[in-house]
Amino acid sequence: EPEVTQTPSHQVTQMGQEVILRCVPISNHLYFYWYRQILGQKVEFLVSFYNNEISEKSEIFDDQFSVERPDGSNFTLKIRSTKLEDSAMYFCASDKRTSGFYEQYFGPGTRLTVT
Amino acid sequence: GIQVEQSPPDLILQEGANSTLRCNFSDSVNNLQWFHQNPWGQLINLFYIPSGTKQNGRLSATTVATERYSLLYISSSQTTDSGVYFCAVEGRWETSGSRLTFGEGTQLTVNP
Repeated sequence: EPEVTQTPSHQVTQMGQEVILRCVPISNHLYFYWYRQILGQKVEFLVSFYNNEISEKSEIFDDQFSVERPDGSNFTLKIRSTKLEDSAMYFCASDKRTSGFYEQYFGPGTRLTVT
Repeated sequence: GIQVEQSPPDLILQEGANSTLRCNFSDSVNNLQWFHQNPWGQLINLFYIPSGTKQNGRLSATTVATERYSLLYISSSQTTDSGVYFCAVEGRWETSGSRLTFGEGTQLTVNP
């Protein structure tokens, strides 16, 4: 069964450094998402992406964040200058949203630790 | 935006017991999903259930869309069922976009 993959599974970085989190969505999906979960809290929406552009973003997704689909398979989240409060689990998700079917498929997550 | 409330926040069971987790939402939905977050932090998709009833082994779920709630039933619970259970919804109207809004979760502990 096709699945969403994410790399790395765990990333440790120093405050102020740039990080890129990578995701490979399911191949025939057209809508892509990033969510994050701070330890002990609920999962929060960051951004959705469709047709090579951001379709929606939350108030969390400020100028420090960017997303890109650099080729036909990868979907990336970049944090330009990490802060301690960016430490969280980041989930990528995708869906195909056809025929009224809206199920989102989640990757296993990348745990980001900012020191 | 759409609001999601889960209850109870915490639930402690003995192995073999049955349980019901509830998710209330504030508006019409295109999508409702139940997830189990395992000890490694992964979100395991249990059900895609914007309406109706589904069963998968010891787990079943029912969504009554007209009354804006969903129930997740766990029967004959096992210690491996422990973890956090999340309900997540996508609102139907354009103003909601396609984002999933998650509830706060139910922390389930099953004791041997």
